[in-house]
Amino acid sequence: GAVVSQHPSRVICKSGTSVKIECRSLDFQATTMFWYRQFPKQSLMLMATSNEGSKATYEQGVEKDKFLINHASLTLSTLTVTSAHPEDSSFYICSAKKLAGSSYEQYFGPGTRLTVT
Amino acid sequence: QQPVQSPQAVILREGEDAVINCSSSKALYSVHWYRQKHGEAPVFLMILLKGGEQKGHEKISASFNEKKQQSSLYLTASQLSYSGTYFCGTEEIGDDKIIFGKGTRLHILP
Repeated sequence: GAVVSQHPSRVICKSGTSVKIECRSLDFQATTMFWYRQFPKQSLMLMATSNEGSKATYEQGVEKDKFLINHASLTLSTLTVTSAHPEDSSFYICSAKKLAGSSYEQYFGPGTRLTVT
Repeated sequence: QQPVQSPQAVILREGEDAVINCSSSKALYSVHWYRQKHGEAPVFLMILLKGGEQKGHEKISASFNEKKQQSSLYLTASQLSYSGTYFCGTEEIGDDKIIFGKGTRLHILP
């Protein structure tokens, strides 16, 4: 397997503030990372694809000015939720793509539970 | 396009078998299977790339049909630890991202 970490694991913030979530691939380099959001008892919804050294690609309906993504190195991607509101409360999960021969595997971080009060 | 998973939920007794299906209206590049326990991140089970492929992982195996539009996950002699929500994720040809189905909740009773 491979290890992907996320920090923080839980965060509570006040409405209107910004929160930064870090995603790191600890034992491999990942040119591509993905950010997902998961509401209780629902599936993982892809928010954006983060490519090292270039702008992130956002899924339809995801506000790029609200969810800022930076993939500054081959092992780190960050998601900043700007001007957070209670409806942004969710479980945010990142994943990193690891090449495996002619194929690849995708490993998930442990997730960050964001609560906006 | 989100793949369709069935069934939505399964309740089994320990030792019984289960099959979870995942289908797409388009030919796929790959299918990924994950298991998620409550409050935790999904855990990678396996990836299937080739039409007609079958892959096994202890008592959990999966198949990918020849047309590469349908995959099934097989859980044999289920154990209590198999409980959780199973997601299939599909990657369409030419698209560098995985889209997940709605999940199948599996509950194993002792």
